[in-house]
Amino acid sequence: AQKITQTQPGMFVQEKEAVTLDCTYDTSDQSYGLFWYKQPSSGEMIFLIYQGSYDEQNATEGRYSLNFQKARKSANLVISASQLGDSAMYFCASSPRELSFGAGTTVTVRA
Amino acid sequence: DAGVTQSPTHLIKTRGQQVTLRCSPKSGHDTVSWYQQALGQGPQFIFQYYEEEERQRGNFPDRFSGHQFPNYSSELNVNALLLGDSALYLCASSLGGTGMEKLFFGSGTQLSVL
Repeated sequence: AQKITQTQPGMFVQEKEAVTLDCTYDTSDQSYGLFWYKQPSSGEMIFLIYQGSYDEQNATEGRYSLNFQKARKSANLVISASQLGDSAMYFCASSPRELSFGAGTTVTVRA
Repeated sequence: DAGVTQSPTHLIKTRGQQVTLRCSPKSGHDTVSWYQQALGQGPQFIFQYYEEEERQRGNFPDRFSGHQFPNYSSELNVNALLLGDSALYLCASSLGGTGMEKLFFGSGTQLSVL
């Protein structure tokens, strides 16, 4: 399985500001995918964004963008214009085959 | 269009008992994966079912077993429960199960073992 490292256990961000969540991965596969999921207190994992290893452009989905640096094996998530509803746990994950998840980062948005 | 549904939402068992958790995948999906998420940790892969067969398995003991039915729904069975089995169990569905596609998750079953 791939190894995912998220070094920030928790972060505070002011409403309307941007926040960057760090993620590094370790894989020997040439073809793989990188994912970010959000888990609010309700427990459901919500898909945010996907980046394929061969994609040359960084992925974007609305206020979410993925800063993909292949040589550094880094896939950081940027949330722009933070909202109170963004307060949740965020997980980085990688494939192929089964998804391997990191330990997560708790984001708290302050009004 | 119903998403992934899991039942029950909460369950309390005692050590040594057996438990069955159920999952209905999102409409049109043929692959079901199960994850265990301990409190404060990321989900850990248990196994994946495709075409009624276990296709991949994570590092979990044989006490954890599963099944997929012809309608693609799935069950997770855990025998001889241990206190350490207390966790949120998440079911995820996808189409094709190549590992490169987005997974859709249910809200999970919170299992407490006393």
